[in-house]
Amino acid sequence: QKEVEQNSGPLSVPEGAIASLNCTYSDRGSQSFFWYRQYSGKSPELIMSIYSNGDKEDGRFTAQLNKASQYVSLLIRDSQPSDSATYLCAPLYSGAGSYQLTFGKGTKLSVIP
Amino acid sequence: ETGVTQTPRHLVMGMTNKKSLKCEQHLGHNAMYWYKQSAKKPLELMFVYNFKEQTENNSVPSRFSPECPNSSHLFLHLHTLQPEDSALYLCASSQDITANSGANVLTFGAGSRLTVL
Repeated sequence: QKEVEQNSGPLSVPEGAIASLNCTYSDRGSQSFFWYRQYSGKSPELIMSIYSNGDKEDGRFTAQLNKASQYVSLLIRDSQPSDSATYLCAPLYSGAGSYQLTFGKGTKLSVIP
Repeated sequence: ETGVTQTPRHLVMGMTNKKSLKCEQHLGHNAMYWYKQSAKKPLELMFVYNFKEQTENNSVPSRFSPECPNSSHLFLHLHTLQPEDSALYLCASSQDITANSGANVLTFGAGSRLTVL
């Protein structure tokens, strides 16, 4: 069973704070991990990808990966109200000769002005 | 047009109707997907096509029938749907499905909101 676990939230943080979003996954063979952001009524959009253990920074976003613990997280620094959205964790799982993204239910983030 | 385009954006149909959802991608990708998104559920993969050949059917009921005439176009034909099929149907594309890398990154269309009465 290919599972992706995320706290559904809502996670509420004040404007300017750090938002921490967590994800665990079941497939030890996963090598690639993606974070998508989905605004209400919109489709998901890619915000970060990470392939190696450790941290990857892109502007206010930092993705963290620990393959031994099967754990991936997303930190959002200096959170803004425009960051309010649902964040989807998506490990790349292998199937029968192909690879597919498997999505968690998502964590709803609310940034309070 | 750029990216992934889906039509119609909204569709209301009765249980005896036949309708189709259309998706077109302008990214030069080789793989196309249909996902279903219902409230409080994760995105559910329905179908995958790679180079217009179906590579995955995720146990989807036969009342949903996909069609992929070429790598740029994907259809989802709908027939005798049930009210529980009401959801957001998302089309996506990716460069590849065989590499364990960023080539599998999905670009989504805006979605088709389906309501079955």
